Amino acid sequence: AQSVAQPEDQVNVAEGNPLTVKCTYSVSGNPYLFWYVQYPNRGLQFLLKYITGDNLVKGSYGFEAEFNKSQTSFHLKKPSALVSDSALYFCAVRDSGNTGKLIFGQGTTLQVKP
Amino acid sequence: DTAVSQTPKYLVTQMGNDKSIKCEQNLGHDTMYWYKQDSKKFLKIMFSYNNKELIINETVPNRFSPKSPDKAHLNLHINSLELGDSAVYFCASSQGRGNSPLHFGNGTRLTVT
Repeated sequence: AQSVAQPEDQVNVAEGNPLTVKCTYSVSGNPYLFWYVQYPNRGLQFLLKYITGDNLVKGSYGFEAEFNKSQTSFHLKKPSALVSDSALYFCAVRDSGNTGKLIFGQGTTLQVKP
Repeated sequence: DTAVSQTPKYLVTQMGNDKSIKCEQNLGHDTMYWYKQDSKKFLKIMFSYNNKELIINETVPNRFSPKSPDKAHLNLHINSLELGDSAVYFCASSQGRGNSPLHFGNGTRLTVT
């Protein structure tokens, strides 16, 4: 069965510092991987996806993610964190059974302090 | 020009009642979904429709019944509400079931008292 894991419940970083939010996946075949962000009382907003090709994927709001097949990871990164980046981040993998559903990790709360 | 819109935003009701949540998308997508987010923020798929045809029913109690009158709408009706149904319900849509992302509505917070 496919799954993703986000090993950290919370990540704390100072404004201006680089941030990393970790995600590992378990799939059969080639993964379609996604990152979403959820602000309080809002829906999930799509940040970026990996389908194939370059291992470094660039997305919205200056975020990027690095796909690493040997480590089965897809970590979200940003070179310089902003206080406004504070939110709940979800990693997800597309179900390979052609249902279209996304299987989400448990979420990581990012706290950026001024 | 909201892409995926859900109504109502908040729903407070008593146990045993029946309620509906409506969802509409104006993105021209052919696939729509319902997800449930529990109090620990965990997201779980409930249902999915592709071109009005049910393709996912993820071991959800029979009290939950989705209805898709057309591919732009996916409503969720819940009978005999229970305390454990309290959660945030998200509607989403995508074009196809391959590599296109899901677009989410802002959620409906259901509180059962």
